[in-house]
Parts: sequence; C-alpha cells; structure tokens
Amino acid sequence: GQSLEQPSEVTAVEGAIVQINCTYQTSGFYGLSWYQQHDGGAPTFLSYNGLDGLEETGRFSSFLSRSDSYGYLLLQELQMKDSASYFCAVIDNYGQNFVFGPGTRLSVLP
Amino acid sequence: DADVTQTPRNRITKTGKRIMLECSQTKGHDRMYWYRQDPGLGLRLIYYSFDVKDINKGEISDGYSVSRQAQAKFSLSLESAIPNQTALYFCATEDKNIQYFGAGTRLSVL
Repeated sequence: GQSLEQPSEVTAVEGAIVQINCTYQTSGFYGLSWYQQHDGGAPTFLSYNGLDGLEETGRFSSFLSRSDSYGYLLLQELQMKDSASYFCAVIDNYGQNFVFGPGTRLSVLP
Repeated sequence: DADVTQTPRNRITKTGKRIMLECSQTKGHDRMYWYRQDPGLGLRLIYYSFDVKDINKGEISDGYSVSRQAQAKFSLSLESAIPNQTALYFCATEDKNIQYFGAGTRLSVL
C-alpha cells in the first residue's frame, strides 16, 4: 500500500519562507511531485524530483531524500497569492500510478 | 480554450440515477486519469488509462466505470449514484511525469 503524510495547515507572513514536508511509504517509488491548488481551482504542477537533492524553480524549491522517504517544498518570498493547498504526490510502479497526499493548506498573512 | 475540458462543471442528481462525466483533451497525451477529491483526503484515483485499449482500476473504482472512446476522450460513469459519491471530480492527462488537470466537475447526489 501507499501512504503520504503532510501537515494539514501552515501559516506564514508575506515575505517569509515556509517549508512543507512530505513523508511517504510506498510499495514502489519512481519520483515525488508537488502540486498547487487554489480554492475552487484545479491542481497545477509545481515541481518534480526523480533524484535525491534540490530542484529550484524561481521562488519554489523542492527536495527529495529517497533513503529517508522524505521530501519538502520550500516557498520563498511568500506572496498573498501563494495562499493555496499544496499536495505532494508519489509516482510509483515506474511511472504507472500517482498517489497524492492529503494536502497542506497554506495561509499567507499580510 | 482549455487543454483538458470537463463537462458538466456542476451536476445535481438523485440517488439511483446513472450519470456520465466527460473529459476531452487537446494535448495529445496517451495517459488519462479520473480522481475524486474530498475535503481532507486529497485526490484519490478512480481509474486510469494509458491508451484506448488499456484501462486500469485505481484505489477507489467500486461504483464507477469508465470508457476511453478515443485518445482524446475519457468518460466516467456512475451506474447508480449514491450520496457518498458527492465530491469534486477531476480528469487529468499525463506526460513526462507531469499531470494536467481539467477544471473539475462538482457532483452532488441527493
């Protein structure tokens, strides 16, 4: 079976840095992705880690440690528009299936 | 126009009715997925298809069926709707480990 854990809620202020952690237990592992979803909207892709280490895309970075079954999403220079839910997703069985975590609701305060 | 289009966007139906949710895509991707989203549970996979002749059950396929009519079309059916199928349903395509979601269908079963 597969299970992913994320904090349910995180709050931070504009301009700050926030880290959203994701731990997983899966029967097979290919990579870890992150998606953003605004209220009433569809999930949109943020980043993908297929190998250990850090991937950087603008203000967002994502990290993966396969040995620890752990990853995180780092959001820098927070803006009000970053208020959304963030989901980690494991790709297992060599890219045949996506399993999503329960999501972390990020609130950015002025 | 959206690359992944879901119809209808909203649907209210009664217990026992058969309904179909439709998904079409212009991205040319072979892989397509159906998810349902419930508060606090993230996205759960119902069915997925890697091409027209390949249909696979996901985590929560009971009570649902699908049809892949063409590369561009993947429909989800509820043969006899029940209230606990009230949820937000998303269709997605996938290419190179990135999923692209439609805007979703909000279904209420009374």
